[in-house]
Amino acid sequence: GIQVEQSPPDLILQEGANSTLRCNFSDSVNNLQWFHQNPWGQLINLFYIPSGTKQNGRLSATTVATERYSLLYISSSQTTDSGVYFCAVCLGTSGSRLTFGEGTQLTVNP
Amino acid sequence: DSGVTQTPKHLITATGQRVTLRCSPRSGDLSVYWYQQSLDQGLQFLIQYYNGEERAKGNILERFSAQQFPDLHSELNLSSLELGDSALYFCASSPIGGQSGELFFGEGSRLTVL
Repeated sequence: GIQVEQSPPDLILQEGANSTLRCNFSDSVNNLQWFHQNPWGQLINLFYIPSGTKQNGRLSATTVATERYSLLYISSSQTTDSGVYFCAVCLGTSGSRLTFGEGTQLTVNP
Repeated sequence: DSGVTQTPKHLITATGQRVTLRCSPRSGDLSVYWYQQSLDQGLQFLIQYYNGEERAKGNILERFSAQQFPDLHSELNLSSLELGDSALYFCASSPIGGQSGELFFGEGSRLTVL
């Protein structure tokens, strides 16, 4: 099956710092989503981004489908950004179910 | 708020018991997906229903079953529970079934088996 690798596995930042999270995938995909799992366990949709670039406030994401990777940028990080960030992809041949990476654990310290 | 509703939010039960988790998808969404998140396995796809019919099956144990009802809500039944079934169970929904589309997740049902 498709492999989804996220890096780094852990990231510790000071409030106000910027960061880049990476997601590599092993096959062509027709869907890619980024999620934030907060400390209460909720999975929050950040981006639906099978290709191209999107921005939402301090967060932005870029997917280069031909090179099989996606990047999530967090600028001016805040303590509320802490949690686990997941990348999830969908193969066209697997319907619309998502395969998740292992996540990046982000801790933002005040 | 994703619009996907899951109940109960928390559930504590004993080994050997049976539980039912319920999911109401977003209004208008025809597909429902179930995922399991455990500490050692990460987020694993269990099963997908589209408009009442099973569409795809993942790593779902034979002790687990699911269905989607005519009003599109779904239930995940877990039986003969074991300690290892303790996990966060998520439901997600999307408007379409066989092609790519954005999935929206509920807040999850946290199951603890003692």
